[in-house]
Amino acid sequence: QKEVEQDPGPLSVPEGAIVSLNCTYSNSAFQYFMWYRQYSRKGPELLMYTYSSGNKEDGRFTAQVDKSSKYISLFIRDSQPSDSATYLCAMSATLSGGYNKLIFGAGTRLAVHP
Amino acid sequence: GAVVSQHPSWVICKSGTSVKIECRSLDFQATTMFWYRQFPKQSLMLMATSNEGSKATYEQGVEKDKFLINHASLTLSTLTVTSAHPEDSSFYICSALYPGGTGELFFGEGSRLTVL
Repeated sequence: QKEVEQDPGPLSVPEGAIVSLNCTYSNSAFQYFMWYRQYSRKGPELLMYTYSSGNKEDGRFTAQVDKSSKYISLFIRDSQPSDSATYLCAMSATLSGGYNKLIFGAGTRLAVHP
Repeated sequence: GAVVSQHPSWVICKSGTSVKIECRSLDFQATTMFWYRQFPKQSLMLMATSNEGSKATYEQGVEKDKFLINHASLTLSTLTVTSAHPEDSSFYICSALYPGGTGELFFGEGSRLTVL
C-alpha cells in the first residue's frame, strides 16, 4: 500500500463547476499537508499549505484536512479553464530535528472545459 | 511565493556526455534542496536531498556516481548527469526548502533532458 493515494483521473468538468480533489494516506504521523498545481512541462507550484487538521481558504481554493480519517481535500470553486493542470497532494511528518521529506500523491489531472 | 530558478529548461545531448543542471533559490537561502525525476503522467520521484556544505543523501536505487549533486552555496545546487544514456532522458525538477521550519517547498521550472 502506498503511503499516499490519489486518483490520477483524468477529471473533466465544465467551467464554473466546483471541483473536489482528494488524497488518502496511511501514516498517522503526517502533520503538514500541501497541494501543488503543475502545468504541463512545468515545475509544481505551491497552492495551499495546511498544518494539522482543519480548513484553509484562499480565494477560490479551500483545503481541508481530516486527520481522523486520514483524508485531505482541495476544493476549487467557480473552476476556470486556466485551472486545467495536474494537482498533487503532498505531506510530511514532524519537522523537529530536521526536515522529513515530502511524500507526494500520484497527481490528479484536471481539465476544465469552456 | 518564493522563486526557484532552474537552468537549462531543456537540453539535448549525445549519449556518453555529461550534463549539468543548476537550481537557484533567488530570494531566500536554502540549506536544503531536493532533486526529483518525473516520467510522463507520473508523480515526482525523489532522487536525492542536497544539503549545503555536505554530501547529498540519495534515495534507494539512485546511483550517486551517475547523478552527482553539489550544494556549494545556500542558493545553488547542481545536478550532473554523468555519461548520460537514453534511459536517463526525463524531466528533472529541483525544489528548495523555505527557511523557518514550515516545510514549504518551492520548485524550479524543471529541466527536460533528452539523450540521443
